[in-house]
Amino acid sequence: DSGVTQTPKHLITATGQRVTLRCSPRSGDLSVYWYQQSLDQGLQFLIQYYNGEERAKGNILERFSAQQFPDLHSELNLSSLELGDSALYFCASSPKAGVGANVLTFGAGSRLTVL
Amino acid sequence: GNSVTQMEGPVTLSEEAFLTINCTYTATGYPSLFWYVQYPGEGLQLLLKATKADDKGSNKGFEATYRKETTSFHLEKGSVQVSDSAVYFCALTNSGGSNYKLTFGKGTLLTVNP
Repeated sequence: DSGVTQTPKHLITATGQRVTLRCSPRSGDLSVYWYQQSLDQGLQFLIQYYNGEERAKGNILERFSAQQFPDLHSELNLSSLELGDSALYFCASSPKAGVGANVLTFGAGSRLTVL
Repeated sequence: GNSVTQMEGPVTLSEEAFLTINCTYTATGYPSLFWYVQYPGEGLQLLLKATKADDKGSNKGFEATYRKETTSFHLEKGSVQVSDSAVYFCALTNSGGSNYKLTFGKGTLLTVNP
């Protein structure tokens, strides 16, 4: 157990629908990162939050959004889903700046299947 | 921008064989380099890291040396085991402050046969 908790583990939904993926970071970690893993694109960085604020944005579609709450858990919202959104979505967390801050700890992922 | 190129797999070896997975990178400044491993059905786990030139990261018999002159961070293990079968990802970060997003290579699938 890495200490990063992601729910749900598996999700099957239809095109056009909206889903929410949830991530609880390791205790004490302030940063949360979201990644998408697909066969054709590999691991793509989506977005990062640090202590509730958006800190960096990657290849995140406009149909996707995220937020980090005061208790530091984060949610990734995916809307108007398309077949191509089927992928593994990983959350990772890291400590505040300092020693070890550049080491990301990953959750087990949420597998999204869009039919 | 940053990029990581690692050898394409799959790589299939017999138990106790020597392993090398090549990784080269493009980045500005002085990135930190990582190898992550993904076992079947699991998330990514940090295998080893190096933060400056000539540093050697090591863990569980795996080693990689940060070579700035060749912009490389090749992963090696002297004697692989069946339990090493997994996907291996080379990655880098050169962000700072509170942003340490990783740029990953495409991953190399390693299968070790008994």
